[in-house]
Amino acid sequence: SAVISQKPSRDICQRGTSLTIQCQVDSQVTMMFWYRQQPGQSLTLIATANQGSEATYESGFVIDKFPISRPNLTFSTLTVSNMSPEDSSIYLCSVENSIGGAPLGYTFGSGTRLTVV
Amino acid sequence: AQTVTQSQPEMSVQEAETVTLSCTYDTSENNYYLFWYKQPPSRQMILVIRQEAYKQQNATENRFSVNFQKAAKSFSLKISDSQLGDTAMYFCAFMKLTNSGYALNFGKGTSLLVTP
Repeated sequence: SAVISQKPSRDICQRGTSLTIQCQVDSQVTMMFWYRQQPGQSLTLIATANQGSEATYESGFVIDKFPISRPNLTFSTLTVSNMSPEDSSIYLCSVENSIGGAPLGYTFGSGTRLTVV
Repeated sequence: AQTVTQSQPEMSVQEAETVTLSCTYDTSENNYYLFWYKQPPSRQMILVIRQEAYKQQNATENRFSVNFQKAAKSFSLKISDSQLGDTAMYFCAFMKLTNSGYALNFGKGTSLLVTP
C-alpha cells in the first residue's frame, strides 16, 4: 500500500485567511482524493485531483473555496480559502490502492485538524 | 445515488467478547466494493476489511469478518475476541462512481468502546 505524508497535522487560523495542506505519496498514483470530516461527522468527498488536469469537485464544493493543485503523480495540495469558523474540520487526502484494476482499498493521510477562530 | 446507513451511533463491548456493527447501503449497481474503516483517536483511517460484491463468500481478516447479504444490501462487521485497541470509530464505505472516477462514500460511523 502507498504511504502518505500529510502536513500540517493541525493548525489554528484566523478567519479570512487561507491554509494550504500538502500530501506527498511514496509512489505514483493517478488520482488523489480530498475529504472533509466535520466535528463528530463522517467523511465527505471534496474533490478528486488528477495530474495534469483540473480537479473535479463534488456537489457543494467549489474551486474558489478549495483550490487544488496536482503538479505531479506523487503530490497534491488543498487550500482552504477565506476561512470561517464553519471550515473547522479535519481534512484528509487519500489514494486508491489497486492491483490489476481491482480496488484493494484506500490509504489515507493522517489528517489535518483545522480550527478557525 | 448511493447511500450508506449505520444505524448504531455508539456501541460498547467487553474485552474478549464479540460485537457486530451494522451497515446497510442503497445502490442500483451490480458490481461494487464495500469497506470497513477504523478511525482511532489518532484520526488515522485504517482499512479493516473489504468485500467484492460479486463474491458470495464473506471476507475475513483475523478477528474481523463480515456478513454480506447482497440481496438485502447489508454489510455488517463482526469483531471477535474484542481488544482494548479496537476502541475507535468504525465507518462503513461504499465505492461509488464520481464525476471523475471511483471514490468512497462513507456512513456516519459507529463509535465502539471496548471495556476491560
